[in-house]
Amino acid sequence: EVQLVESGGGLVQPGGSLRLSCAASGFPFSDYVMSWVRQAPGKGLEWVSAISGSGGGTYYADSVKGRFIISRDNSKKSMYLQMNSLRAEDTAVYYCAKDSGRIPAPGINFDYWGQGTLVTDSS
Amino acid sequence: DIQMTQSPSTLSASVGDRVTITCRASQSISTWLAWYQQKPGKAPKLLIYKASSLESGVPLRFSGSGSGTEFTLTISSLQPDDFATYYCQQYNSYRITFGQGTRLEIK
Repeated sequence: EVQLVESGGGLVQPGGSLRLSCAASGFPFSDYVMSWVRQAPGKGLEWVSAISGSGGGTYYADSVKGRFIISRDNSKKSMYLQMNSLRAEDTAVYYCAKDSGRIPAPGINFDYWGQGTLVTDSS
Repeated sequence: DIQMTQSPSTLSASVGDRVTITCRASQSISTWLAWYQQKPGKAPKLLIYKASSLESGVPLRFSGSGSGTEFTLTISSLQPDDFATYYCQQYNSYRITFGQGTRLEIK
């Protein structure tokens, strides 16, 4: 059974940093692109970042480029999101999501999601 | 970035109704479109990928169609479990974008 479990969320001051983790199980982790998707309170879904199976390719939304860093450790079946220079508008539930990999595609869609971890601006 | 626009934003319907949600892309995305269902406090669930392919385990009353810039999600006969928010998502590139969501509520 595929499981994705996020951790690391919490209260953070504007300008602060936070590191989110996603622990994966139940599938060959290194074979799949993984992503972070966030959802501000009462709002829609926003893709944040993605990382290739090897970790050699990383992709970011313009809203976080230069502030967030995505990484993965395939030996630990884990993905991370280092969030720096946090802003009020970064307040959201952050989901870890797995690429479905159903067919070769120019981008990714998500067949499994974690339960999410909440990042809240302390101001 | 490609903008995804869903309509309507809110849809009121009854059990047994046939409903359709539309998603329009600001430029052609071929058939690189997915649909998700999200219930309050839960993670989204993949329903449809590549515009019309049904994800494993998803009931056959859900179907998707379209290509280019216009897409639809149809629920053939609404069930009580279907009242939720639905999102489209384009994956024509790694600059992924979602629609703003359509809330399907009980009439």
